[in-house]
This record gives sequence, structure tokens and C-alpha cells, in this order.
Amino acid sequence: QKEVEQNSGPLSVPEGAIASLNCTYSDRGSQSFFWYRQYSGKSPELIMSIYSNGDKEDGRFTAQLNKASQYVSLLIRDSQPSDSATYLCAVNSGGGADGLTFGKGTHLIIQP
Amino acid sequence: EPEVTQTPSHQVTQMGQEVILRCVPISNHLYFYWYRQILGQKVEFLVSFYNNEISEKSEIFDDQFSVERPDGSNFTLKIRSTKLEDSAMYFCASSETRQVLTGNTIYFGEGSWLTVV
Repeated sequence: QKEVEQNSGPLSVPEGAIASLNCTYSDRGSQSFFWYRQYSGKSPELIMSIYSNGDKEDGRFTAQLNKASQYVSLLIRDSQPSDSATYLCAVNSGGGADGLTFGKGTHLIIQP
Repeated sequence: EPEVTQTPSHQVTQMGQEVILRCVPISNHLYFYWYRQILGQKVEFLVSFYNNEISEKSEIFDDQFSVERPDGSNFTLKIRSTKLEDSAMYFCASSETRQVLTGNTIYFGEGSWLTVV
């Protein structure tokens, strides 16, 4: 059974600070990793994708991948109240699979 | 910006009835997906569809479910003999190519909220 684990939170971060979100996955063969943002009652929106070990930066967002530790993280710099949402980690196992396995998400609250 | 559109946004149905959820994927996209999210739970993959056939399906996607692309634009999910536990948000999604190979974004629709009573 492929599992993606996240701390459900809520994670409360002051405005302007760095928010750090973490995710672990069980399938060592996983190849593609994604962070989605989901506002309450809305659909997931892709924030970042990462495929190789190391860091990938896009604006205020940095995704970090460590395949040896089966660990993915997302850093949000200069956090804004509009960043308050649930952040979903999603993993694709590769090997021809199309589907994503999602974690339950971390609820992030940015305090003004 | 192109988007995936879904109808209806909300449907209430009686247990045992059949429902059809409709989706219009982004026009140049070739891969289509259905995911569901039970309230308070994780998003779960149901099925992917490419070249007019199912590419992959999860354990959830049993004989109660079927998908179809009846014309050049719509992609539908049919749920037969609905059960209370089918109540969930159903998301349609599409991607230009296979995401896992190219990293193309999967675009999600806004969802169809199904309530079975």
C-alpha cells in the first residue's frame, strides 16, 4: 500500500516568516513529487513539482527532495495571509502509473 | 487561462440511483482523470483515460463506476447504484501529456459535489 504522510496541523506561522511543510512517502520507487494548494471547498492547485534530489525554487516557494530519506518538503518564504490553505503532497510511483497518491494535507494558517 | 469545467457543481441523489458527472477537459489535452475527495479525507485517484480507453484505475474504481468520452469534448463519470459512501467531491482533471514523464501540469476542475441521501 502506497502511503504519503503529512502532519495535518494546523501549522500557524506569523506573516513574513518561513513556513515549512513536510511529507514522507512509503514507495521507494516513486519518481515524481508535487505540492498542491487547496483552499476550503476548492480544487487542488499545483504549486511545485520536483523530480530529482535537491532543491527547486520558484518565487517564494522552494521544494526539497531527499529520495534516500523518502522525504519531500516545501518552504514558503515571506508568508502572506493568502497562503493560508491546506497543502497537499502528492507522489507518483512511476513505472507507467498515471495516478497521484495524495497525503491528507497540512493546514497552514498565516497570522497577520 | 484555459480551464477544466465540471457540471453539475452539486448534485443530490437518492441511494440506488445512477448519476453522471460531466467534465470538459482543456481542449488540447490528451489525458483525463477522475479523482474524488470524501469530506475531510485525502484526494484519491480513481481512473485515468487516454486514447478513448482506461489507462489506469485504482481499487476504488470497481464495476460501479464507468467513464466515457461520448464526443470530442466531454468526459463523463457514471456511478451506478449510488451508496451513501459515494458522497464526495469528484474532481475531473486533464493534462497535455502524461505528467509523470514530462512534468506537465495536471489541471483540476472545480469539482462536482455529490450527496447521496
